[in-house]
Amino acid sequence: KQEVTQIPAALSVPEGENLVLNCSFTDSAIYNLQWFRQDPGKGLTSLLLIQSSQREQTSGRLNASLDKSSGRSTLYIAASQPGDSATYLCAVDTGTASKLTFGTGTRLQVTL
Amino acid sequence: GAVVSQHPSRVICKSGTSVKIECRSLDFQATTMFWYRQFPKQSLMLMATSNEGSKATYEQGVEKDKFLINHASLTLSTLTVTSAHPEDSSFYICSAPPGTGDEKLFFGSGTQLSVL
Repeated sequence: KQEVTQIPAALSVPEGENLVLNCSFTDSAIYNLQWFRQDPGKGLTSLLLIQSSQREQTSGRLNASLDKSSGRSTLYIAASQPGDSATYLCAVDTGTASKLTFGTGTRLQVTL
Repeated sequence: GAVVSQHPSRVICKSGTSVKIECRSLDFQATTMFWYRQFPKQSLMLMATSNEGSKATYEQGVEKDKFLINHASLTLSTLTVTSAHPEDSSFYICSAPPGTGDEKLFFGSGTQLSVL
């Protein structure tokens, strides 16, 4: 059974700092991995999707890497802003009808 | 981009009543939709896969008679929590693949259910 873990569970950083969120998964036989953002009481916004054959994806200040063999992914956020404050979730797709297994998330707070 | 609309965003009900949650794909057709549940400070757990024109597929441990799913059209799936109890209080969220070859899933805004 696939298990997804995210570390740290919570993180507080001052504005402007670069930061890294970590995601690990137990079964390396994945189809893709996605990073999502969730604001309190809201739905999820897809940030980046990395195919199993890819090593990284970039979008603006966000960069996600994937090391499938070691079961790890990182989300790098450059020059953090207060608007980045949210919970960040990673999820792996094992290729079975797009069913996702989610991590428990990292709650990020960027302070002024 | 693809938009998934979920309604209502919040509902408070008495124990024993039934609650219906709607999930609509606004600018695309979705033959499949997914229903997730999220308890406070926990991750999303897949409850069931809604299939247009056929029965839903439920994950292990999810009571199909408790959580009724109907996917009557290519743009609408509904989740009905029957005879709700306080332990059913949770955040329910639906998602759908846009079916354009884009593998990203698009999520509704979620429904916070509170059963008194």
